[in-house]
Amino acid sequence: DGGITQSPKYLFRKEGQNVTLSCEQNLNHDAMYWYRQDPGQGLRLIYYSQIVNDFQKGDIAEGYSVSREKKESFPLTVTSAQKNPTAFYLCASSPRTQGEQFFGPGTRLTVL
Amino acid sequence: EDKVVQSPLSLVVHEGDTVTLNCSYEVTNFRSLLWYKQEKKAPTFLFMLTSSGIEKKSGRLSSILDKKELFSILNITATQTGDSAVYLCAVEATSGTYKYIFGTGTRLKVLA
Repeated sequence: DGGITQSPKYLFRKEGQNVTLSCEQNLNHDAMYWYRQDPGQGLRLIYYSQIVNDFQKGDIAEGYSVSREKKESFPLTVTSAQKNPTAFYLCASSPRTQGEQFFGPGTRLTVL
Repeated sequence: EDKVVQSPLSLVVHEGDTVTLNCSYEVTNFRSLLWYKQEKKAPTFLFMLTSSGIEKKSGRLSSILDKKELFSILNITATQTGDSAVYLCAVEATSGTYKYIFGTGTRLKVLA
């Protein structure tokens, strides 16, 4: 089955620790995206990548880092520099020239 | 600055009612407007609109785009409790690279 997977589903972190959220897709999509969703808010773009080995900052990139070494994978690292990391994180992908985005099931990160 | 505004923020209706959700936008280099339904976790795709005045329909849901007035509406007729969700509007823009700007969403609750 084609789709996007994210892991873990739930993640707890102590303050000062870096954590990495996984996102994998087997849809052969060029573009991948990371969003953050806070209660009562829409999706805010953290980083996106249109092609392997290239990525751009979104609207709220501070305190986050990404890599895109393989087409299928776009991991997101939440660093200790992120002031308020507790949120729901969604990964998405899309064919480079088409509109619809496909979303993964999300990772809920809680900082203790 | 690109922005997408959805209204109302929340809505409570009874089964059988018809609802209209609104999405207005201000973006440079508009490419398409997309509607998603988010029940618990991953948003699921509903419609993609690129041309003005052409209604898209899927069962009890329909949507239309007005590129002159820069807005779209999502209609749901004969609502059911299963329609309860957050409805997200996103605009795809091409400012050098493709980018999606999301609204804050409309939270719909349908009471039995």
